[in-house]
Amino acid sequence: GQNIDQPTEMTATEGAIVQINCTYQTSGFNGLFWYQQHAGEAPTFLSYNVLDGLEEKGRFSSFLSRSKGYSYLLLKELQMKDSASYLCAASGYSTLTFGKGTMLLVSP
Amino acid sequence: DVKVTQSSRYLVKRTGEKVFLECVQDMDHENMFWYRQDPGLGLRLIYFSYDVKMKEKGDIPEGYSVSREKKERFSLILESASTNQTSMYLCASSLLATNEKLFFGSGTQLSVL
Repeated sequence: GQNIDQPTEMTATEGAIVQINCTYQTSGFNGLFWYQQHAGEAPTFLSYNVLDGLEEKGRFSSFLSRSKGYSYLLLKELQMKDSASYLCAASGYSTLTFGKGTMLLVSP
Repeated sequence: DVKVTQSSRYLVKRTGEKVFLECVQDMDHENMFWYRQDPGLGLRLIYFSYDVKMKEKGDIPEGYSVSREKKERFSLILESASTNQTSMYLCASSLLATNEKLFFGSGTQLSVL
């Protein structure tokens, strides 16, 4: 089985940096996904980490430590449009298991 | 871009009705998935399929069945809808294995009265 934990809610101000953490306990771990989901919309892919370390993609970066069962999503230069739910998902033997999501609210 | 289309955005059904939720993808993806999403519970996998006529149970298959007669189409069936099946249903597809990113449809908000 798989267990994914991430904070329920976070708040930040426009222009700031925020880090969303995710811990996982899995069997047959392949890699770690991050998805973004705006209210009323479908999740969209942000990043996928297989190897340990930080991967940067514009304002968003994602980090993975396989030995610690830990990942984070780092969002820089926050914009109002970044207000959304961020879903951490662990890839296992045959399927993805999603965390419950972190609702990020960006205020002016 | 991959397009995953779900037939209905909103659906209202009565308890005991048989409900069909349809999903079509246009990029020849092997894998298709049905999730439900509920506040505080996140995305939970109901069923998935790796090939035509093939299906596998996910984490919460009870009360549901699926059909995949053609590669591009994956249907979710609620044999006898119940109020606890009121939820947002999301279909997704991916090219090959589980380390491939998922492409989601826009979802069907099902209300069972």
